[in-house]
Amino acid sequence: DGGITQSPKYLFRKEGQNVTLSCEQNLNHDAMYWYRQDPGQGLRLIYYSQIVNDFQKGDIAEGYSVSREKKESFPLTVTSAQKNPTAFYLCASSRAGTNTGELFFGEGSRLTVL
Amino acid sequence: RKEVEQDPGPFNVPEGATVAFNCTYSNSASQSFFWYRQDCRKEPKLLMSVYSSGNEDGRFTAQLNRASQYISLLIRDSKLSDSATYLCVVNPGGYQKVTFGTGTKLQVIP
Repeated sequence: DGGITQSPKYLFRKEGQNVTLSCEQNLNHDAMYWYRQDPGQGLRLIYYSQIVNDFQKGDIAEGYSVSREKKESFPLTVTSAQKNPTAFYLCASSRAGTNTGELFFGEGSRLTVL
Repeated sequence: RKEVEQDPGPFNVPEGATVAFNCTYSNSASQSFFWYRQDCRKEPKLLMSVYSSGNEDGRFTAQLNRASQYISLLIRDSKLSDSATYLCVVNPGGYQKVTFGTGTKLQVIP
């Protein structure tokens, strides 16, 4: 089955610790995205990558870092510099190109900072 | 003006009702449009694409009005299972990132 897998589903972290969220896709998609969603709010873009070894900041990149060493993988690190990291994190992928808008999402990772 | 705007609701409607949501966008050059559905504490899933000619999928109809820069979603004969948040997505085209609206919450009540 093709799809996009995020792990872990739930994560608890102490303040001051970095944490890395995994995102893997086997859809052969070029583009991958990380979004953050807070309760009652819309999706806000953290980082995105249209191609391997390249990525761009989204609207709220501060306190986060990513890498795109392989087409299938786009891990997100939430650093201690992120002031309010407790949120629902969603990874998505899509075919790159002019009609990108059909995003496939993972089930999300819910991060709680204690 | 926000890039993509939606009325957050909630829209509380009885079963069997017809309900419509609008979504406005600011970039007149936007190329493609989509509606997503998100259930509580779940990931968004693509509901339907929105074409210039309008498109229908069962009880759902999506329309695009380029002149007024909005898209709409009409749900007929609402079911309890339609209760969710509906997200509007706009793609400006090229390799630019898509933009999500904040969503409209629908609650269908018995």
